[in-house]
Amino acid sequence: AQKVTQAQTEISVVEKEDVTLDCVYETRDTTYYLFWYKQPPSGELVFLIRRNSFDEQNEISGRYSWNFQKSTSSFNFTITASQVVDSAVYFCALSEAGSGYSTLTFGKGTMLLVSP
Amino acid sequence: EPEVTQTPSHQVTQMGQEVILRCVPISNHLYFYWYRQILGQKVEFLVSFYNNEISEKSEIFDDQFSVERPDGSNFTLKIRSTKLEDSAMYFCASSPGARNEQFFGPGTRLTVL
Repeated sequence: AQKVTQAQTEISVVEKEDVTLDCVYETRDTTYYLFWYKQPPSGELVFLIRRNSFDEQNEISGRYSWNFQKSTSSFNFTITASQVVDSAVYFCALSEAGSGYSTLTFGKGTMLLVSP
Repeated sequence: EPEVTQTPSHQVTQMGQEVILRCVPISNHLYFYWYRQILGQKVEFLVSFYNNEISEKSEIFDDQFSVERPDGSNFTLKIRSTKLEDSAMYFCASSPGARNEQFFGPGTRLTVL
């Protein structure tokens, strides 16, 4: 079973649309961290956010917001008023106490295409 | 802003050859990692390294792979006898602590012919 599931393989939107990228995770640990990374066409992995399992408060950073819900094991990412520069592959990832937090388990990623 | 660097950006090698991929982690970080991403697929964990020893490794990280921190700044991944299926992007990452976010380098694209 996948530990991190990103069911949306590819999403296409037009600029200024809002878009939500889904992430569902699976863990037996009570203490864990969740992350989002962005991989633009240039290929690097850019850290966006880290969340620990005890902090379910939603977070907003500019046009980005994250909704963490332990009840549904989800950590969804919303981009408001999308821009062409948001086009990238977005990865959700999990690190668990059981591995000493040293392992990031990534989902398969969601490719976001924002057209003008 | 400090960043993780990796060299070379692209390495082409013949099957069976040894390759060494090099990384310079962020200077005050204590944890180091290697991941790989086969083209179009997800990023996969290979190994983590702390206090001069491997702390975790995945099933991918078999006897053909080794890591080393030969001095105070470099962190290397060696593949002893490359196979075609080793072709991938290899990412180095570092973090100040185990629970912190990992910062990734730009990657080395390894092509095995």
